Amino acid sequence: DAGVIQSPRHEVTEMGQEVTLRCKPISGHNSLFWYRQTMMRGLELLIYFNNNVPIDDSGMPEDRFSAKMPNASFSTLKIQPSEPRDSAVYFCASSMEGSPLHFGNGTRLTVT
Amino acid sequence: DAKTTQPTSMDCAEGRAANLPCNHSTISGNEYVYWYRQIHSQGPQYIIHGLKNNETNEMASLIITEDRKSSTLILPHATLRDTAVYYCIVSSGTYKYIFGTGTRLKVLA
Repeated sequence: DAGVIQSPRHEVTEMGQEVTLRCKPISGHNSLFWYRQTMMRGLELLIYFNNNVPIDDSGMPEDRFSAKMPNASFSTLKIQPSEPRDSAVYFCASSMEGSPLHFGNGTRLTVT
Repeated sequence: DAKTTQPTSMDCAEGRAANLPCNHSTISGNEYVYWYRQIHSQGPQYIIHGLKNNETNEMASLIITEDRKSSTLILPHATLRDTAVYYCIVSSGTYKYIFGTGTRLKVLA
């Protein structure tokens, strides 16, 4: 079991550019989560998918953020256009519904 | 989901037991207590969870008081690799985990 795989591990981009973060959940898991972590706000849930369908996106900060899950083995989180305040570590997690979460090692995003 | 209160930081000597407390006085009957930890530069890692009985696994033990208003995570023989931020979370098993600020545990050589 390779665990939850996120790419890239680090991303540095300029303000205004589009950023796409990628996640491969654990095979067989039907729930997928995107979290953002900053020093000021800690870990925040951005969006939750169940069986590839977005169930709760109330944590997505603005329309600049969008997430997709085209199939059970892949999800993306896109920021367009990016801003310096989007700088954070973005985590993807997956689980079987109701079971504990398994997190990836995150993508550290820096927007200059 | 109920809110939790944890000490900001704790130190523990290597080889000794680390006892991490958590208060969750507003916990409801169907809510579990979950513990996760986050080692620097890594994603949070699940440790253990319980409803009302004490639980033990290869990583830790979880002691939940009879009134369920508090719990303690016990790492029986702490090592330097246990240095991390430990999060206590109360949840009914829905997806809405509230991680809070956790306890920063430092294991000292």
